[in-house]
Amino acid sequence: QSALTQPPSVSGSPGQSVTIACTGTSTDVGSYDRVSWYQQPPGTVPKLIISEVNHRPSGVPDRFSGSKSGYTASLTISGLQAEDEADYYCSSYTTSSSWVFGGGTKLTVL
Amino acid sequence: EVQLLESAGGLVQPGGSLRLSCAASGFSFHLYAMSWVRQAPGKGLEWVSGIGATGGPKSYADSVKGRFTISRDNSDNTMFLQMSSLRAEDTAVYYCVRSAGLLLVFPLDYWGQGAPVTVSS
Repeated sequence: QSALTQPPSVSGSPGQSVTIACTGTSTDVGSYDRVSWYQQPPGTVPKLIISEVNHRPSGVPDRFSGSKSGYTASLTISGLQAEDEADYYCSSYTTSSSWVFGGGTKLTVL
Repeated sequence: EVQLLESAGGLVQPGGSLRLSCAASGFSFHLYAMSWVRQAPGKGLEWVSGIGATGGPKSYADSVKGRFTISRDNSDNTMFLQMSSLRAEDTAVYYCVRSAGLLLVFPLDYWGQGAPVTVSS
């Protein structure tokens, strides 16, 4: 199972919006609405911020939103804040009954 | 409060074996699927293996299939990962992770603090 494809880095200024794309195949993103996103600030444990394409767990700000079209899922962060600076990972359930992650995207808040 | 506490990890020689455990508390362990996810130093996340709430089905990443074995003891609220024929590329922090339901298809919602494993001579 090959990793999902994410851009290595994105950046934005406070208050702006950024979108991180996550591209898979017919055996993962294209087969299920089982796409999750995780936030991992430096030196911390990953935290679930979006599940099942666009559901936010309790406590996650509504500045975070998700979507999916075909084989590509996206995470949008609006109203960027300094505390959003972190690594972001997408993941998808697969037709092999496993999970696959993207390579991760480093978000820099300028 | 959901808590997942991995065993200490450690230093192992190439070709050696190591068993990780994960003690769960704060939720009904027998109702949730569980997984192991690893992160090599400075690298991204890699799902390693998962197990359904009742002990099956079990699933493995191709990179560890035939070398790692996942299991759980619902009477003791504990999950295990038996790692054999270890290689340098298995060096990583291993996270114990809960799924949000009975089956592995549910999202990975709670993560332990991680157990560092180093494979080196």
